[in-house]
Amino acid sequence: DVKVTQSSRYLVKRTGEKVFLECVQDMDHENMFWYRQDPGLGLRLIYFSYDVKMKEKGDIPEGYSVSREKKERFSLILESASTNQTSMYLCASSFSGGAFFGQGTRLTVV
Amino acid sequence: ELKVEQNPLFLSMQEEKNYTIYCNYSTTSDRLYWYRQDPGKSLESLFVLLSNGAVKQEGRLMASLDTKARLSTLHITAAVHDLSATYFCAVEETSGSRLTFGEGTQLTVNP
Repeated sequence: DVKVTQSSRYLVKRTGEKVFLECVQDMDHENMFWYRQDPGLGLRLIYFSYDVKMKEKGDIPEGYSVSREKKERFSLILESASTNQTSMYLCASSFSGGAFFGQGTRLTVV
Repeated sequence: ELKVEQNPLFLSMQEEKNYTIYCNYSTTSDRLYWYRQDPGKSLESLFVLLSNGAVKQEGRLMASLDTKARLSTLHITAAVHDLSATYFCAVEETSGSRLTFGEGTQLTVNP
């Protein structure tokens, strides 16, 4: 089975902190994605990566950056967390046979 | 820009009834995925449809893909309460490109 693992299920951070959300997949997938999900707004793409060290902006990249130094790991970085970044964050990886999600990280910024 | 539309967005069904959720998309693609999401949880992969005419079934759910019509359907047969969840379709325009999601269909199955 494909396994996509996010480092935390729940996270509480203070405004202004630098926050790292980690995602690891074990199936050698080329493509990895970060989404956020908010009530009434659906899933919105923040960034995606189609290869090591490659990244593309999604629909809402402002306030976020990403890092993909190794194929299996895709990190989302909140440079200076703000309360409007409180959300559910979902990581996914994909290959020609499908796209699979991690368990999600519910981030609260106080 | 690829757009993906689902309907209905809300569906309240009685147990043992049948219903279909529709997923329309705006540009050429032969990669379409269906997911289930329970409240507070992540997305669980249900079906991967990779060619025109693809049909997949798992239990009371059956998904199909018509790439010429740019339409996928998720058919529910004899619904049971355990199927209550939000269902999403997602389209990958080409391999290695972004996934674009529909708005989701919130399904409630009532006894």
